[in-house]
Amino acid sequence: LAKTTQPISMDSYEGQEVNITCSHNNIATNDYITWYQQFPSQGPRFIIQGYKTKVTNEVASLFIPADRKSSTLSLPRVSLSDTAVYYCLVGGSGNTPLVFGKGTRLSVIA
Amino acid sequence: DAGVTQSPTHLIKTRGQHVTLRCSPISGHKSVSWYQQVLGQGPQFIFQYYEKEERGRGNFPDRFSARQFPNYSSELNVNALLLGDSALYLCASSLVGGDSNQPQHFGDGTRLSIL
Repeated sequence: LAKTTQPISMDSYEGQEVNITCSHNNIATNDYITWYQQFPSQGPRFIIQGYKTKVTNEVASLFIPADRKSSTLSLPRVSLSDTAVYYCLVGGSGNTPLVFGKGTRLSVIA
Repeated sequence: DAGVTQSPTHLIKTRGQHVTLRCSPISGHKSVSWYQQVLGQGPQFIFQYYEKEERGRGNFPDRFSARQFPNYSSELNVNALLLGDSALYLCASSLVGGDSNQPQHFGDGTRLSIL
């Protein structure tokens, strides 16, 4: 499974847009890119998944360039409740196990 | 719809004991996976079951075992508990079918503490 690299931590003020970029240079042709959010003592929560270009849902957008070697999770107008660890994963469809890294710890400041 | 449910939510055991953790997937999901998450780390894959058969196993000792029942619920068993087994144990389910890339959905885990 392709390895991912993302920043260990990020800080942001409330109301700002936050962009977390993930590198996945060895992504395979069939791999999807999936982002999860995790709060302390809770299980990871699915945020968004995409294959190419741009995907948007009610909580986030995912931007994927043509070469698919990276992706950017965009969280619009973050609030204190968005403080969490965000994981980027590639591959890991329903048939294959997910390989988690250490994620990005986002701290939102009032 | 109910999400993935796990029981118990918390558990305290002593070294050498065994433990059984339970997971009920989202209705209609046929695949269940188990993960171990120690403090400060991302979840680590333990097992995956689909249609009651083991489809994947992570790098964990034979003290760890699991099974999936006809109703797609699952149990994770750990024997001869060690202090290092203290962790949050997560169960995830997914709707597996054809070439779809259905994401996995997690429960909130069982917090296992070994004394």
